[in-house]
Amino acid sequence: GAVVSQHPSWVICKSGTSVKIECRSLDFQATTMFWYRQFPKQSLMLMATSNEGSKATYEQGVEKDKFLINHASLTLSTLTVTSAHPEDSSFYICSALLLYNEQFFGPGTRLTVL
Amino acid sequence: KQEVTQIPAALSVPEGENLVLNCSFTDSAIYNLQWFRQDPGKGLTSLLLIQSSQREQTSGRLNASLDKSSGRSTLYIAASQPGDSATYLCAVGGNNDMRFGAGTRLTVKP
Repeated sequence: GAVVSQHPSWVICKSGTSVKIECRSLDFQATTMFWYRQFPKQSLMLMATSNEGSKATYEQGVEKDKFLINHASLTLSTLTVTSAHPEDSSFYICSALLLYNEQFFGPGTRLTVL
Repeated sequence: KQEVTQIPAALSVPEGENLVLNCSFTDSAIYNLQWFRQDPGKGLTSLLLIQSSQREQTSGRLNASLDKSSGRSTLYIAASQPGDSATYLCAVGGNNDMRFGAGTRLTVKP
């Protein structure tokens, strides 16, 4: 099946700094990618839909100025958590959309903000 | 807005038992439904994908069914093993989005 990678797999940062997470589709082009967040013992929640060449669509309650999404190419979407705070500590997972609405998920990035 | 519910939230069974996990969704206009496995602190492993035109999919000891009209899917695990212990997530695919249930945390005791 299609492969999606994320980098880094885990990151620890100080409060107030910005962190960039990359999501790449390795063997296919994805015009649409998604970003999810998962807090401990909770399910995945969709944060935003990232479309190549256009602005991302954010879910209600997700701050677009805090979670910057860039989908500059058909194989790369980035999520930047700006001015991170401890409450942003979470597991972030991206996915890429393929044919027939099937999504392929990255392995996730664990963010810990001190 | 699509809402996905999984019952039970947690399940503990002895090894060798057959078990059923349930998933229900409120909007039957779906593109597909997918079952995932998630181990603690890890990402998602796709188990089975059922397109909206299909009624079931099978892979090894796993069988997933889909009844769109009633908004239900079940994941059947045969002859459970301790290695099956994980959280199982049901996700409903709509028009360019996917909504997840809260998951069922399965523990299979040796």
